[in-house]
Parts: sequence; C-alpha cells; structure tokens
Amino acid sequence: AQSVAQPEDQVNVAEGNPLTVKCTYSVSGNPYLFWYVQYPNRGLQFLLKYITGDNLVKGSYGFEAEFNKSQTSFHLKKPSALVSDSALYFCAVGFQKLVFGTGTRLLVSP
Amino acid sequence: GAVVSQHPSWVICKSGTSVKIECRSLDFQATTMFWYRQFPKQSLMLMATSNEGSKATYEQGVEKDKFLINHASLTLSTLTVTSAHPEDSSFYICSARRPGLPINQPQHFGDGTRLSIL
Repeated sequence: AQSVAQPEDQVNVAEGNPLTVKCTYSVSGNPYLFWYVQYPNRGLQFLLKYITGDNLVKGSYGFEAEFNKSQTSFHLKKPSALVSDSALYFCAVGFQKLVFGTGTRLLVSP
Repeated sequence: GAVVSQHPSWVICKSGTSVKIECRSLDFQATTMFWYRQFPKQSLMLMATSNEGSKATYEQGVEKDKFLINHASLTLSTLTVTSAHPEDSSFYICSARRPGLPINQPQHFGDGTRLSIL
C-alpha cells in the first residue's frame, strides 16, 4: 500500500535556528514529491516540489527540501526559522492523485 | 491571490440536513477537481475526483450516495453531503490543477469548509 510518513507530530525550533521536517514515503515508481503548508482554517499552500534532477530543491519563503532516493525521503529544511513559519506542514507524494502525510506542526518560538 | 474559491467557509446545521459545498476555479477552467476530507490533527484523505461532464470517481470506502459530486461546468464543482449526521462533521477541502499542464504541477487548494453537524 502506498503511504507517506511524517514521523514527528510537532517540531519546536527557536527563531533563527535551522529547521527540518521529515518525510519518508513508500510509493511505487518515481513519484512526484510536494510540500504544502496549511494555516488555521485555511487550505493548503504549495511550497515546493521535486520532479527530477538536482536532489536539493528550493521553494517559497526560503524553504528547501532534499530528495534521497535510497532512503525514499524528502525532508523539508530552512536555514533560519521565523516565527511566521509556525504552521502545519504536509508532505505529499504521487502522480495524478496525491497521498498526504499526517502533517507536522512547526512551532517557532521568538 | 486565490485561484480556487470554496463556499461556504463554515456551516453549522442540524442532523438530517443536506449541505452543499461549492468549489470554483477563478481564473482557469478545471476539467478535474479533487475533494478531500480532513479530520482534526489528521491528514487529507482524498474522497473523490470530480470530472467535468461525467461521473465523479470515488475512492474506496467513500459512499457515493452520501457524498454527491456534481461538476456541471468547467469552473464549478459541488459536493453535497446528504442527510448529514454528526460523524460527517469535518473540514472539507477542494483542489484543482490548471489544465494543459503536466500532472507534476501542484494543485491549487481552496480554503476549505468546516462542517459541523449538531
């Protein structure tokens, strides 16, 4: 069965520190990989995607993600966190239809 | 600005009522839209794929008679929760992808509809 795992329900980071939100997946083939962010009572906003090519992809708001094929991982990273980055982050994997992870709540403290 | 609009954003109604949620693509024609359901502190679960001019494709375990989907125009898909009960209370989100683009392009999501059934 296809699945996406985000092992951490919550990640706490101090402002200015680097952050990592983890994602691993079990989807056959070479799926497309996405990260989305969700603010309270809102839909999802696209952050970045990996299709092919360079394993490090850069996206919106200073976020980047590193694709690791051997580990089937696609971790989200940011060199310096902001309080405004606090939100719910979803990893999504698939083709026409996407499978979403369970989400990781990021809390950035001042 | 938003490219996918959902209405209403919040609805509270009595058990047994049918509730219609609208999803509109604002600046493009969407032949395909997706409907998701999100429970508190859980992920998005794809309910169905809405296809303009034809029947929706439902995911396994989703009752098609309970969740009626109509995609009558290229900019509007509706989800009707029929005879809603408290267990149908959830956050419903739609999305659409710009036509003519590869499927590796991101979906655009609406802001969701919070449905509370009393």
